[in-house]
Amino acid sequence: QVQLQESGPGLVKPSGTLSLTCSVSGGSFTSGTWWTWIRQPPGKGLEWIGEIFLSGSHYNPSLKSRLTISLDKSNNQFSLSLTSVTAADTAVYYCAKNGVPWYFESWGQGILVTVSS
Amino acid sequence: QSALTQPASVSGSPGQSITISCIGTSSDNLVSWYQQHPGEAPKLIIYEVIKRPSGVSHRFSGSKSGNTASLTISGLQAEDEADYYCCSNAGGPVILYVFGTGTTVTVL
Repeated sequence: QVQLQESGPGLVKPSGTLSLTCSVSGGSFTSGTWWTWIRQPPGKGLEWIGEIFLSGSHYNPSLKSRLTISLDKSNNQFSLSLTSVTAADTAVYYCAKNGVPWYFESWGQGILVTVSS
Repeated sequence: QSALTQPASVSGSPGQSITISCIGTSSDNLVSWYQQHPGEAPKLIIYEVIKRPSGVSHRFSGSKSGNTASLTISGLQAEDEADYYCCSNAGGPVILYVFGTGTTVTVL
C-alpha cells in the first residue's frame, strides 16, 4: 500500500510562492502512474489542482497560469509550486495517487497552508 | 467548470438506507465517491460508478442514470457520519476533474 506525505511551509505571505512536496513510499514512479494535488479551503469542498506523470502533466485551467507541478523520480517525490498567492489560496493541500481510470486511490494526510502577512 | 451538485445534507436513523445524488456528471462511467471524516483526508469508497475498493463495506453502492450519479448507504451506522464527495471528469477536450459540492451525512 503506497503512502504519501505532504511537507512544506504552513504560512506563506501574500504575493509569494506556495511550495509543497509529496514524498511517496511503498510505490514507484512508473510510466503508468499519475500523481495529483487537490486542495480544500477551510470548511469548503475539494478542488482538483493538477496531475503529473513521467512524461506529462495536466493543470486546472483556473490555476494554470500560476502553477507548476514537477516530479523527482530519484527521490520518489513530486512537488507543487503556486505563485502570486492570495488569501483565497489558503487551504489544506492533499497529494494523491491516481487509480486508472480517473479516481484517487490513495491520499496523503494533508497540510494546511495559510496565506497571510 | 462548475462543481457537481449534491444535497448539502442527508440524514437517517441507524439501519436505514440513504441516497446521495450527484448531478452534472459526464456521459462516461468515470464517477468516484469519497468519504471524509472531520480532520481526516478523503477516502475512496466507489470508483467507475459501481466498483468498491478492497476493504470498503458492501453497504456502500453506486449507480448512475444520465448525468446523475448516486451513492447509497444501506444499514446506516454511526461510523458513516461524514462528508461525502462525488467526482467526475468535466467532459470535453480539457483534462479536468470536478468534485461535487459535498454532502454531510448525519446519523440520527
